[in-house]
Amino acid sequence: EAQVTQNPRYLITVTGKKLTVTCSQNMNHEYMSWYRQDPGLGLRQIYYSMNVEVTDKGDVPEGYKVSRKEKRNFPLILESPSPNQTSLYFCATRSGRAGYEQFFGPGTRLTVL
Amino acid sequence: DQQVKQNSPSLSVQEGRISILNCDYTNSMFDYFLWYKKYPAEGPTFLISISSIKDKNEDGRFTVFLNKSAKHLSLHIVPSQPGDSAVYFCAGGTDSWGKLQFGAGTQVVVTP
Repeated sequence: EAQVTQNPRYLITVTGKKLTVTCSQNMNHEYMSWYRQDPGLGLRQIYYSMNVEVTDKGDVPEGYKVSRKEKRNFPLILESPSPNQTSLYFCATRSGRAGYEQFFGPGTRLTVL
Repeated sequence: DQQVKQNSPSLSVQEGRISILNCDYTNSMFDYFLWYKKYPAEGPTFLISISSIKDKNEDGRFTVFLNKSAKHLSLHIVPSQPGDSAVYFCAGGTDSWGKLQFGAGTQVVVTP
């Protein structure tokens, strides 16, 4: 079954404590991306990757890092989380060769105290 | 600055009637548009897309209309069903790699 998985699904942490949210896909897609969803703002892109070792900033990259060492994984790293990073995070993937559709993971609810 | 705007945060419609969701955009360079549907505690799921060179795309009960001169698109759901109750996001993309700009979403409630 085609899947985008995210872990953890829920996380409560404190300011300054480094954390990583993992994203993995089994569809062999070249393109992966991270979004955050906030009330009244919709989904905003944080970072995206067009292939292994190729990443670029989205619209709201401040405070986040990513890496793409393997095609299937695209972790989101918060080196020093702050309360304004409390949000719902989604990973998404897309084939580089077919259509416009992006496939989303189930989301990670992050609370930074 | 939001390039895609959904000005109606919510919409209530009776089962069997038409739901019309609206979306306005400012970036004339968008090559395509997508609609996503989102249930609580799930990720968004793709619903329907339209290329900027077309003015209509239909898929079953869902039809998207694009008016480029007005920078406006709309999603029609006919007939509306209770399972259509969800948040709907409109998105625009400017390149084939899918860097998307999303609207804030419209909560649709379909009542019996």
